[in-house]
Amino acid sequence: DADVTQTPRNRITKTGKRIMLECSQTKGHDRMYWYRQDPGLGLQLIYYSFDVKDINKGEISDGYSVSRQAQAKFSLSLESAIPNQTALYFCATSDLGTQYFGPGTRLTVL
Amino acid sequence: AQKITQTQPGMFVQEKEAVTLDCTYDTSDQSYGLFWYKQPSSGEMIFLIYQGSYDEQNATEGRYSLNFQKARKSANLVISASQLGDSAMYFCAMRGWNTGNQFYFGTGTSLTVIP
Repeated sequence: DADVTQTPRNRITKTGKRIMLECSQTKGHDRMYWYRQDPGLGLQLIYYSFDVKDINKGEISDGYSVSRQAQAKFSLSLESAIPNQTALYFCATSDLGTQYFGPGTRLTVL
Repeated sequence: AQKITQTQPGMFVQEKEAVTLDCTYDTSDQSYGLFWYKQPSSGEMIFLIYQGSYDEQNATEGRYSLNFQKARKSANLVISASQLGDSAMYFCAMRGWNTGNQFYFGTGTSLTVIP
C-alpha cells in the first residue's frame, strides 16, 4: 500500500462549488504539505503543517484553506472553485529529511 | 531568500549515454539539503537522490549521481547509461534547515531519451 494517499485522484467540478481534497499518510511524519502544479511549471506551496496545531500559509494560499485533522490527515479545501485553480495537486509529507509525495489529484474547474 | 534555478527546459540524450541536468541554488542558510525528483508522464513525483550541504562526498543512487559544487552553488544530476524509461520531467529542490524548513522547487527539465 502507498505511504501517502490522495482522494480523489481526479475531479471535475464547476465554478463556485466547494471541493475538498484529502490526504492520508502512514509514514508517521509530522510535517505535511499541499502543492499545486500548473502545466509545464514546478510546484507551488499552498499550505504546510508541522504538526496538528501548526498550520502555515505558503506562497499561493489565497482561495484555499486546510485542516489537519490528525497527524496522518491533511485536507485542502477550495471554498469557491474558479477555473484558474485547474491544476495537479500534490500532498507531501516529510520527516527531517526527504519529502515524499502522494500520487496527485487532477482537478478541473469548468 | 531561497531560489532554485533550472536553466534547461528540455534535454535530449541518446539511449545508453550519460546526461547532466543542471541546477543552481541560492540560499542564506548554512545548512541545507538538495533533492532531485522525477516526474514521469503519469504525474507522480518520485524521489531520486539527496545531498546534504555538509556531505563531503557526492551522493550516488544507482545510475543517479549528484555533482555537488558548493562554492558554485550547483547541484547537477547525472544520469548514467540512460534508458527509455528515464524520459520524464526532473525537478531540483532545496530545503533550508534554519529558514522554515520549506522545500523550494525549480521549474524542471524535460528529458527525452532517444532510442
